[in-house]
Amino acid sequence: QVQLVQSGSELKKPGASVKISCKASGYTFSNSDLNWVRQAPGQGLEWMGRINTNTGNPTYAQNFTGRFVFSLDSSVSTAYLQISSLKADDTAVYYCARGLRVVRFDYWGQGSLVTVSS
Amino acid sequence: QSVLTQPPSASGTPGQRVTISCSGSSSNIGSSYVFWYQQFPGTAPKLLLYRNSQRPSGVPDRFSGSKSGTSASLAISGLRSEDEADYYCAAWDDSLSAYLFGTGTKVTVL
Repeated sequence: QVQLVQSGSELKKPGASVKISCKASGYTFSNSDLNWVRQAPGQGLEWMGRINTNTGNPTYAQNFTGRFVFSLDSSVSTAYLQISSLKADDTAVYYCARGLRVVRFDYWGQGSLVTVSS
Repeated sequence: QSVLTQPPSASGTPGQRVTISCSGSSSNIGSSYVFWYQQFPGTAPKLLLYRNSQRPSGVPDRFSGSKSGTSASLAISGLRSEDEADYYCAAWDDSLSAYLFGTGTKVTVL
């Protein structure tokens, strides 16, 4: 069965970096994009962008350029989200989601909570 | 940044029909499929409907969707207590080249 398993919660200080992983299983990793979605505490869902798991080419949403980097290790069917120069308002749950036919997010990771606090 | 507008809340008693609207524009709903996601507190969203009205395997037929012009709607018929959750519409926006989620609607079963 398709599964996306994300890394655990992180507590970071402002200015630090964090790298979240999303390990896929149960399907051919290179067949579907992986998307990243942010949900700040008590807020809605916000699409951060996606990475083409065949080419490794990332696409970033307008609000997520500069400090956010999507990457892959296809040898272990894992996608990564790295956030640098963390700020308090980066505190959120970050989800990965498989994009079937690009825009159908049919499977989601369980979410990774990143807390940024001094 | 969302430009898909949903009512913040909707409610009904068990057995009732509840409808949630999602209003967009010609660059998103007007030209793309609409998707609906269900999210319970503390859990990941789940795909509820795709291509405006199609249900993934396992989603009860109490959930239905429609689209007209630049708006879409999700209907829950025969409302049950376990339907109490947040619901988000979503669509690709050609102008922004971005996947947009709606503002979200919290459904309460009275």
